[in-house]
Amino acid sequence: ETGVTQTPRHLVMGMTNKKSLKCEQHLGHNAMYWYKQSAKKPLELMFVYSLEERVENNSVPSRFSPECPNSSHLFLHLHTLQPEDSALYLCASSQVVPGSRRDGYTFGSGTRLTVV
Amino acid sequence: QQQVKQSPQSLIVQKGGISIINCAYENTAFDYFPWYQQFPGKGPALLIAIRPDVSEKKEGRFTISFNKSAKQFSLHIMDSQPGDSATYFCAASIDRVSTLGRLYFGRGTQLTVWP
Repeated sequence: ETGVTQTPRHLVMGMTNKKSLKCEQHLGHNAMYWYKQSAKKPLELMFVYSLEERVENNSVPSRFSPECPNSSHLFLHLHTLQPEDSALYLCASSQVVPGSRRDGYTFGSGTRLTVV
Repeated sequence: QQQVKQSPQSLIVQKGGISIINCAYENTAFDYFPWYQQFPGKGPALLIAIRPDVSEKKEGRFTISFNKSAKQFSLHIMDSQPGDSATYFCAASIDRVSTLGRLYFGRGTQLTVWP
């Protein structure tokens, strides 16, 4: 497999469920990101893992919990979600090199999440 | 506050025509400006990018024009084709390690090219 792979592609969950989204990158990148894409809204950065540092958007509710066990894998753990959390969740990776110009992100195809 | 403003929200162009999408930014520290193309059911894919040391970059039918003084940049698609129908996002970032590669995206433009 090449690029960035996200599983599952589609997920329907109830508000009391716990589920996890998985992302795997095969590009040797050292930074990974979770973005939320909702209709008629800009892509919203949720979390960044880069160079062993984690940065989060303070507006992201605590019902979203990221995990990055190594530079190739990224998870987004979900619990007690709300219907307004229904969206496309995108994972991306990039190479962050001190003092060097970099290319843009490589995105996965996303997980379409529906909360019922 | 949105860091990058994109217009129009939607665009309809006839096959063979020129598609133009505009973006504006406020943060003068931005120094990397990519454009992404997204087809339904797919994640955004990097299309073309520019840095502020040049005013124009061309790759095939796609051209970015950059106006540093006006803090604006635009995507031009020449000879637009039905296969170009997609959502286009502009973005900007400060290309330093301290920013961890964070990109700020515009809201997107839905392009439809009629055959």
